[in-house]
Order: sequence, then C-alpha cells, then structure tokens
Amino acid sequence: AQSVSQHNHHVILSEAASLELGCNYSYGGTVNLFWYVQYPGQHLQLLLKYFSGDPLVKGIKGFEAEFIKSKFSFNLRKPSVQWSDTAEYFCAVRAISSGSARQLTFGSGTQLTVLP
Amino acid sequence: GEEVAQTPKHLVRGEGQKAKLYCAPIKGHSYVFWYQQVLKNEFKFLISFQNENVFDETGMPKERFSAKCLPNSPCSLEIQATKLEDSAVYFCASSQSTSGGHNEQFFGPGTRLTVL
Repeated sequence: AQSVSQHNHHVILSEAASLELGCNYSYGGTVNLFWYVQYPGQHLQLLLKYFSGDPLVKGIKGFEAEFIKSKFSFNLRKPSVQWSDTAEYFCAVRAISSGSARQLTFGSGTQLTVLP
Repeated sequence: GEEVAQTPKHLVRGEGQKAKLYCAPIKGHSYVFWYQQVLKNEFKFLISFQNENVFDETGMPKERFSAKCLPNSPCSLEIQATKLEDSAVYFCASSQSTSGGHNEQFFGPGTRLTVL
C-alpha cells in the first residue's frame, strides 16, 4: 500500500518569504499527485494536481509543485507567501493501477503560519 | 448541485448512541468517497461507491460502521454504538466517472462528530 510523508508539521514564515513544503510518497507504480489546502474552518480545496506531462505544475494562488519521479517527491512551492496563505496543506497520492476511482492517500499535513 | 453537500455540520452523540451522516455528491458524479479526519491530522479512507455499489470498503471498521448510496437519495454513513475514538470530522468526496482516469475528487465541508 502506498504512503505519503510530509516531514514539516508546522512551518512559520514572514510575509514575502519563499515557501517549500516537502512531500514524498512510496509507491512503485503510476500515480496522480495532489496538493489540497484547508483554510481555518473551511473544507479541503484543490491547489494543484499532476497527472502526466510537464512535471512542473502550476496551481491557483501562485502555488506550483514539481514532480521528481526519481525522488518520489512532489514538493509545493510559492515564491512569496501572504498572510492569507495561513492554512493546513495536505499532499495526496492516488495509485492508478486499478483505474480512475481509487481513493486518495493523504499525508499528515503541514500547518503553515504566515506572520504579517 | 455544483458542490458536495454534507449534513449535519455538527453532530454530538453519547457513547453507545447511533450516528448517521449524509452526503449529496455533485450531480453527475458517479463515485463517492468517505474519509475520516481525526484531530486535524491525516485523512483515513473508509469506503467508496460507484453509484449505489460498494467499490472499495477496505477502510471500514465493519463491526459498527455501515454506508449506503441509494438511487435518488443522499449517501449515508452510519455508526452504530459510537465510541469516543469515533470523534472526528467525516468528509465526503465525489468524482466524475470517465474512462480516462483523470478524476479529481471534490470534497464536502465535512461533518464534525463529537462522541461524549
């Protein structure tokens, strides 16, 4: 079974700092990769996704992520964070060996706090 | 509808009581997923449906948990004889049925279950 590791549990940055959140997964087959964000009191929203093609994926709100297959990684980046980016960030993986409807496996999340 | 709807928003039960949660997937989506999030940590997959058929129930604690997706009705997740450790936020997600395997899961706002 696949697993997802997010090594940073809590990241604190000042506004305008650059962000990189780590995500590694363990699965030898083909995967779809996702980053979701959960703002305080709100439900999960999709930031970006990777299915195939260009390993550098651009998402909403200035976020991007790079899929490095050799490292089993899908790190999330943003060049300049804002106070409004304060939220919990979840990396998720879906193994697609069995078709399109497989469930997502989530990492444990990274709480990002951006100081004004 | 255009969003996954979940009711109720909050549910409080005494230990041993029954709890029933509901999910209305996005119209036209054939797949429904239930996840459990304990203490704002990682999401645990419970069960998935393809229309009214169980697709994958490997995550379900079968002794007390059951779920259904009946035609023309919201999907439901029922917990018989709740325990303290069932306290969590239960998220429902839905995805579209296609043959391509590129299906994004859209999440509902969740139901917060508190077992006292």
